[in-house]
Amino acid sequence: AQTVTQSQPEMSVQEAETVTLSCTYDTSESDYYLFWYKQPPSRQMILVIRQEAYKQQNATENRFSVNFQKAAKSFSLKISDSQLGDAAMYFCAYSERGANSGGGADGLTFGKGTHLIIQP
Amino acid sequence: DSGVTQTPKHLITATGQRVTLRCSPRSGDLSVYWYQQSLDQGLQFLIQYYNGEERAKGNILERFSAQQFPDLHSELNLSSLELGDSALYFCASSVGPDTPLHFGNGTRLTVT
Repeated sequence: AQTVTQSQPEMSVQEAETVTLSCTYDTSESDYYLFWYKQPPSRQMILVIRQEAYKQQNATENRFSVNFQKAAKSFSLKISDSQLGDAAMYFCAYSERGANSGGGADGLTFGKGTHLIIQP
Repeated sequence: DSGVTQTPKHLITATGQRVTLRCSPRSGDLSVYWYQQSLDQGLQFLIQYYNGEERAKGNILERFSAQQFPDLHSELNLSSLELGDSALYFCASSVGPDTPLHFGNGTRLTVT
């Protein structure tokens, strides 16, 4: 079974600084998806960024970028120019690619999350 | 706003009772997923439906069941509730295979 590990329960960063959240995963598949989701206090799950494993280029979305290391099974999220609105729980997630998937044949497998605090 | 609607937002009930959580997917989305988020277990995948048919099962208890109706809305039924079933239950939807999931705001279930 796939597992996703986020080793940092909590991270703190000064506003306008850069922070990197770590994620490692375990899978025997070669083709899959990786995601970062944000869960603010409103509790909604918001997709931040998505990476397709067969693409070597790291995904970016404005101030958010990832460092995808397929061989090391590592998928970190970098947030540049941190803003107060970035404060939230961040979840790394994995899903398989396949005909039955809409995010994964077995759904998304999530890590335990990292609580990101932004210091003003 | 993700376009996924979940009702009710909050639900408080007693042990042994049965409740139904409802989800309306985004317009055009055929897949519906249910997830449970608890302090102990984190976010866990429960079950997936695609266009009315069950597609995948995760860590869903036998006391729980779900269905997707012809209009594509879905219901998650939780019966013989236990204290440990207290959690946030999310519904998510997607257009189809290999497309991103969009989550609703969740239903907070409290079992007393």
